[in-house]
Amino acid sequence: GENVEQHPSTLSVQEGDSAVIKCTYSDSASNYFPWYKQELGKRPQLIIDIRSNVGEKKDQRIAVTLNKTAKHFSLHITETQPEDSAVYFCAATLRGGSQGNLIFGKGTKLSVKP
Amino acid sequence: GAGVSQSPSNKVTEKGKDVELRCDPISGHTALYWYRQSLGQGLEFLIYFQGNSAPDKSGLPSDRFSAERTGGSVSTLTIQRTQQEDSAVYLCASSLRGRITEAFFGQGTRLTVV
Repeated sequence: GENVEQHPSTLSVQEGDSAVIKCTYSDSASNYFPWYKQELGKRPQLIIDIRSNVGEKKDQRIAVTLNKTAKHFSLHITETQPEDSAVYFCAATLRGGSQGNLIFGKGTKLSVKP
Repeated sequence: GAGVSQSPSNKVTEKGKDVELRCDPISGHTALYWYRQSLGQGLEFLIYFQGNSAPDKSGLPSDRFSAERTGGSVSTLTIQRTQQEDSAVYLCASSLRGRITEAFFGQGTRLTVV
């Protein structure tokens, strides 16, 4: 079925290093790809998103890249800090592009060690 | 309201009982999603409402689960004859109509079936 695959499930890095999380999606009609950060016990919150007419987007230490041909997108966090530790979820709209629902990957638990 | 509001925040129920979970989306948001998050797991899609369109119920795990949205605003997720495996945090999110934009999450309802 249509889904979103996310890797790795856990990621541990040293403070200051970069972290990369990758996702693939199945529906070629998907056109919106948000990334959410969920701290322990809190609600998921949007950190960055990208639309299918853009290949890359950057916001300070966070960047997202999209390869529509290969149907994958990635989150890059540079100069990681302990407060970046959280679970990160990628998502994609499925079943009809802008009218479709939002399907999430299974999440990546990022640990940044001081 | 200022954000997505869910009630109750916590619910403990006996196996076999029915429960109703409520979601008040952000005013003006006509897209509404329900997700389920088991302990340490990802965001499992349940159901999606978009305006007056027929809801996408493809994520509902069994016929014990149902949801409705009255007046295009408040939504209620109902679980009949609850089972222990229904224990999870149920998250609601809403976004603007017509163009997929940021989906804002509520704090969730933690359901425990004993």
